[in-house]
Amino acid sequence: GDSVTQMEGPVTLSEEAFLTINCTYTATGYPSLFWYVQYPGEGLQLLLKATKADDKGSNKGFEATYRKETTSFHLEKGSVQVSDSAVYFCALKDGGSQGNLIFGKGTKLSVKP
Amino acid sequence: NAGVTQTPKFQVLKTGQSMTLQCAQDMNHEYMSWYRQDPGMGLRLIHYSVGAGITDQGEVPNGYNVSRSTTEDFPLRLLSAAPSQTSVYFCASSYGIFAPETQYFGPGTRLLVL
Repeated sequence: GDSVTQMEGPVTLSEEAFLTINCTYTATGYPSLFWYVQYPGEGLQLLLKATKADDKGSNKGFEATYRKETTSFHLEKGSVQVSDSAVYFCALKDGGSQGNLIFGKGTKLSVKP
Repeated sequence: NAGVTQTPKFQVLKTGQSMTLQCAQDMNHEYMSWYRQDPGMGLRLIHYSVGAGITDQGEVPNGYNVSRSTTEDFPLRLLSAAPSQTSVYFCASSYGIFAPETQYFGPGTRLLVL
């Protein structure tokens, strides 16, 4: 079945460092890909998305490019802030599903001042 | 708009007790779902509904029941709680069944089963 694999955390960075969180997927068909963020004590929020190969999703300085050839959707940010400390989830929705999402296990990011 | 609301925020149960986790949304969303979040496991889909009167099972439905009598409400019932059901439960809703990118999540209910 479909699955999402994320890099293990936690990831600890200093403020203004470059961030990469790796995400790869396995899916039949042509899935849509998402990154969600969960701040402490809150529910998940959609961060960005990409619906087809070579699409780049971006929001709040975060970017991810849908790479069909490597089945990847890595999350990047050029300069992280303390306020970016959260858990990040990669997810996919298969084109043939009823809208249900399949999530990775999540990567906890801590940014130190 | 209150968005997606969940009650209670935290609950402690003894093994064998029953309870209902409440979820409500005021956005007239068709699609609602319940997830559980366990350490190192990400979110796993328990049950979902594509409209009032229609529910279906997700990845981990055992031990849980749901119903959808109105568009707004989607309660999750634990008939006989077990320690394995200790988790954080999230309810979510979205405009349509094919639009998870519009999915809004509630703040979660933390459940401890002793």
